[in-house]
Amino acid sequence: DGGITQSPKYLFRKEGQNVTLSCEQNLNHDAMYWYRQDPGQGLRLIYYSQIVNDFQKGDIAEGYSVSREKKESFPLTVTSAQKNPTAFYLCASSIGGFTGELFFGEGSRLTVL
Amino acid sequence: KNEVEQSPQNLTAQEGEFITINCSYSVGISALHWLQQHPGGGIVSLFMLSSGKKKHGRLIATINIQEKHSSLHITASHPRDSAVYICAVRPGGGADGLTFGKGTHLIIQP
Repeated sequence: DGGITQSPKYLFRKEGQNVTLSCEQNLNHDAMYWYRQDPGQGLRLIYYSQIVNDFQKGDIAEGYSVSREKKESFPLTVTSAQKNPTAFYLCASSIGGFTGELFFGEGSRLTVL
Repeated sequence: KNEVEQSPQNLTAQEGEFITINCSYSVGISALHWLQQHPGGGIVSLFMLSSGKKKHGRLIATINIQEKHSSLHITASHPRDSAVYICAVRPGGGADGLTFGKGTHLIIQP
């Protein structure tokens, strides 16, 4: 079945460590996105990529980095520069950029100890 | 930037009741999404609409562009409908990005 796979589902990190969240899709979608969800807030866009080897900052990109070396993969690195990294992270994809229907992964919950 | 307001924030109802969740936004849009977030966190897209009304099973979504308002209705609600329902809007004018509402937490009791 086609879909988006995020891993790990739960992750614990010590302060000062970088951590990478994986996002893989087999839907053949060009566009991929990373969102952050905090309690009581709407989803906020971290980074997005409309095509391989290209990505753009979203509303809250500081302290995060991404790469898009393959169409299927869009990993997110939460760096030690991110001041409040504990959150729920969601990866999504769509056929036609922001104009298309969104498909989401199951999410990754990061906790900084 | 578009402001997206959902109401109610929380809703508890009995199985079989007709459910309405509302979404209002502040500036013109080109499309509106309704999403369902399961207790485990995964999100499923329910509808994407830019005008009129769409129906899928027991779910109905309507949008009034002039009023800047959309509603999601659930008929014959069931405990498995318990989830967070999220409204998201895409701005008009060719701008990128979606603005998300904070969600409506729905609980359907048997």
